[in-house]
Amino acid sequence: SQQGEEDPQALSIQEGENATMNCSYKTSINNLQWYRQNSGRGLVHLILIRSNEREKHSGRLRVTLDTSKKSSSLLITASRAADTASYFCAPNRDDKIIFGKGTRLHILP
Amino acid sequence: EPEVTQTPSHQVTQMGQEVILRCVPISNHLYFYWYRQILGQKVEFLVSFYNNEISEKSEIFDDQFSVERPDGSNFTLKIRSTKLEDSAMYFCASSEVGLAGGSYNEQFFGPGTRLTVL
Repeated sequence: SQQGEEDPQALSIQEGENATMNCSYKTSINNLQWYRQNSGRGLVHLILIRSNEREKHSGRLRVTLDTSKKSSSLLITASRAADTASYFCAPNRDDKIIFGKGTRLHILP
Repeated sequence: EPEVTQTPSHQVTQMGQEVILRCVPISNHLYFYWYRQILGQKVEFLVSFYNNEISEKSEIFDDQFSVERPDGSNFTLKIRSTKLEDSAMYFCASSEVGLAGGSYNEQFFGPGTRLTVL
């Protein structure tokens, strides 16, 4: 299956702390993407990491990819209230994205 | 920044009626997609479209569904005879052509159309 499995299912942290979410998958991939969805809203693309990359940064986001372990992690540093959302990983081998259940991140004031 | 747009934002229809959901992908993108999300459930892939034809579709995308690119800017999803279980958020997405002709690039999603079937 091309679906990513996010872990944990839910995460609550204090504002300002770092949040780490993990993703595991089962097939070979060309790239892996992370998306965010605010409640009832559209999906926002956060970052794409290609299979030949090991780490990528974008602002407060840091993504790692370990293709030998078929896993990825998303780190959000210095979390803010606006980071409260569901986060999905999308291992990509062809054109479609198979979304998992995501990690529900809640930033506490 | 260019974005995917969708109309209408909310569509209410009677069971058995036809609906057309509209999307305007980002202008230089060549791959188009539809996904849906039933309330409280996962986002599900419906169909991908490239070069004026369907490149892949899921089991959900049965004969009641069709897609079309009627002109150079719009991408539509038609549901011929809506059922109660078609009630969901429908998301359109687009991406550039990537490596070796495959998209393999990030997909940009529209804000969605909430379809309510009564």
